[in-house]
Amino acid sequence: KAGVTQTPRYLIKTRGQQVTLSCSPISGHRSVSWYQQTPGQGLQFLFEYFSETQRNKGNFPGRFSGRQFSNSRSEMNVSTLELGDSALYLCASQKDAGANEKLFFGSGTQLSVL
Amino acid sequence: QQQVKQSPQSLIVQKGGISIINCAYENTAFDYFPWYQQFPGKGPALLIAIRPDVSEKKEGRFTISFNKSAKQFSLHIMDSQPGDSATYFCAASGGGSYIPTFGRGTSLIVHP
Repeated sequence: KAGVTQTPRYLIKTRGQQVTLSCSPISGHRSVSWYQQTPGQGLQFLFEYFSETQRNKGNFPGRFSGRQFSNSRSEMNVSTLELGDSALYLCASQKDAGANEKLFFGSGTQLSVL
Repeated sequence: QQQVKQSPQSLIVQKGGISIINCAYENTAFDYFPWYQQFPGKGPALLIAIRPDVSEKKEGRFTISFNKSAKQFSLHIMDSQPGDSATYFCAASGGGSYIPTFGRGTSLIVHP
């Protein structure tokens, strides 16, 4: 069974640009969450989608948005990039939403904003 | 406000030694406490998890100790091996939200 797939693996952008990251969850998983990982802050929750609906949202500005498609694949968009957006963006999938469900993470997209 | 505080930030242990990572939480409604292990270039992977109805859970060389009254839990890695070198994250969830709150991570290096 294939794991969570994130593309691209690396991305370099300049300030003010926008970026779209992609995540394909494990087959059969309907919940997809996004996290921002930085050395100083650890893993910060961005948002979670379940059956194409955003169910939970973290404390990030509106420049960060996402969506989920009918096949459970998800995209995350960051507009008007800032230097502080440089981070590893992780996607995680769960079969269903809930604490009893194990989170499976992808290897992430490393975003560098110059 | 950091709801899950993790320490130490980094840890160096000799092969065969015991690695201990501690976490403290503030929200008494938390009822699920997982630990994740992350190798360079990879995403975190669930290592072991505990619920507050038990004080200890062991899986192989990895043990979680849980102290509900002190609102603390810790990960013990017995007979640490160089292959255990990774970043470890504690997390907590509950109180109506299944979204985990993560600690800031501990970078563990096990010297051969």
